[in-house]
Amino acid sequence: DGGITQSPKYLFRKEGQNVTLSCEQNLNHDAMYWYRQDPGQGLRLIYYSQIVNDFQKGDIAEGYSVSREKKESFPLTVTSAQKNPTAFYLCASSIQMDMKRYEQYFGPGTRLTVT
Amino acid sequence: KQEVTQIPAALSVPEGENLVLNCSFTDSAIYNLQWFRQDPGKGLTSLLLIQSSQREQTSGRLNASLDKSSGRSTLYIAASQPGDSATYLCACLPNTGNQFYFGTGTSLTVIP
Repeated sequence: DGGITQSPKYLFRKEGQNVTLSCEQNLNHDAMYWYRQDPGQGLRLIYYSQIVNDFQKGDIAEGYSVSREKKESFPLTVTSAQKNPTAFYLCASSIQMDMKRYEQYFGPGTRLTVT
Repeated sequence: KQEVTQIPAALSVPEGENLVLNCSFTDSAIYNLQWFRQDPGKGLTSLLLIQSSQREQTSGRLNASLDKSSGRSTLYIAASQPGDSATYLCACLPNTGNQFYFGTGTSLTVIP
């Protein structure tokens, strides 16, 4: 089955530690995205990548880092510089079709709790 | 910057009722608009995608419309069922960029 996998589903870390969230897709999509979701707020874009070895900051990139060494993988590292890292993190991917499609597909999410 | 608004934030209806969810966006220059469903603690599931050249899309009991000139989209759910209870989000992709902009969602509860 094609889709997006995120692991782990739940992640617990102590303050001051870096943590890496995994995102893998087998949809052969070019673009991948990381979002953060907090209660009562919409999804906020952290980073996105249109092609391998290239990525751009989103609206809330501070305290986060990413890499895109393979088309299928887009890991997100939450660093100790992120002041409020506890949140639900969602990975997504999209394909360009007919030059005007860009339908997005999402993974199941990772809930990160930092204490 | 594109701003997307969904009103109301929460909606409760009896089973069987037809309902409309609203999505407004400030910049009408969009490639497409996508509606999603999110169950508690889960990722987003795509429901319907409307391209900029289209006015509506239908899938089963769902119908989404797009009026770019007024900056509005609606999601119509016919004959609602308790299983429709979830949060519904809309997102649009501007012509000028590669970033999707999301609304804060409408939390729907269908009462049996």
